[in-house]
Amino acid sequence: DVKVTQSSRYLVKRTGEKVFLECVQDMDHENMFWYRQDPGLGLRLIYFSYDVKMKEKGDIPEGYSVSREKKERFSLILESASTNQTSMYLCAGRGGAGELFFGEGSRLTVL
Amino acid sequence: SQKIEQNSEALNIQEGKTATLTCNYTNYSPAYLQWYRQDPGRGPVFLLLIRENEKEKRKERLKVTFDTTLKQSLFHITASQPADSATYLCALYSGGYQKVTFGIGTKLQVIP
Repeated sequence: DVKVTQSSRYLVKRTGEKVFLECVQDMDHENMFWYRQDPGLGLRLIYFSYDVKMKEKGDIPEGYSVSREKKERFSLILESASTNQTSMYLCAGRGGAGELFFGEGSRLTVL
Repeated sequence: SQKIEQNSEALNIQEGKTATLTCNYTNYSPAYLQWYRQDPGRGPVFLLLIRENEKEKRKERLKVTFDTTLKQSLFHITASQPADSATYLCALYSGGYQKVTFGIGTKLQVIP
């Protein structure tokens, strides 16, 4: 199984701050994903990457960017955090049959 | 647009009974249908998947059916236990580099 590790479980940031969420997977899988999860809205895809330096917008990319410099690492960046970006952020790697392996999540609060 | 519907209300059942969760979808032709379990404050955990040419899949106390004509999957947990209490997510995947799309989940509570 793919093991996915997210660097921070809980973060509190102020409006306007730049926020980095880091994600590392321990398998040589190409596809990685960033979702956010909010009550009543479920999991929504922000960005995904199918290879190093490749990225694709998901359903809600506005206000976010990503970086994939190495195969095992996929970072989500909030250039200027806003209160509506308070959420649970989940990173995932994709296994051979398309199944996703998620990290434990990063709960971000923007004040 | 693509839509996935799960019983959005919580499902309460008695310990030992079979829990049945439903996933319906529209405007989609998935190659795979996946089920995940999510505990509060944690990331989803993959349970099992079923392919479009499969009718049924089993894993221990779990059983999944997939009807591409009805555009529906049923997820069963037999001999349910309080430890099965969690939110269960249905997800659709078309294959290749396509994204995985999730339903909002059904919260299952197994009462001792």
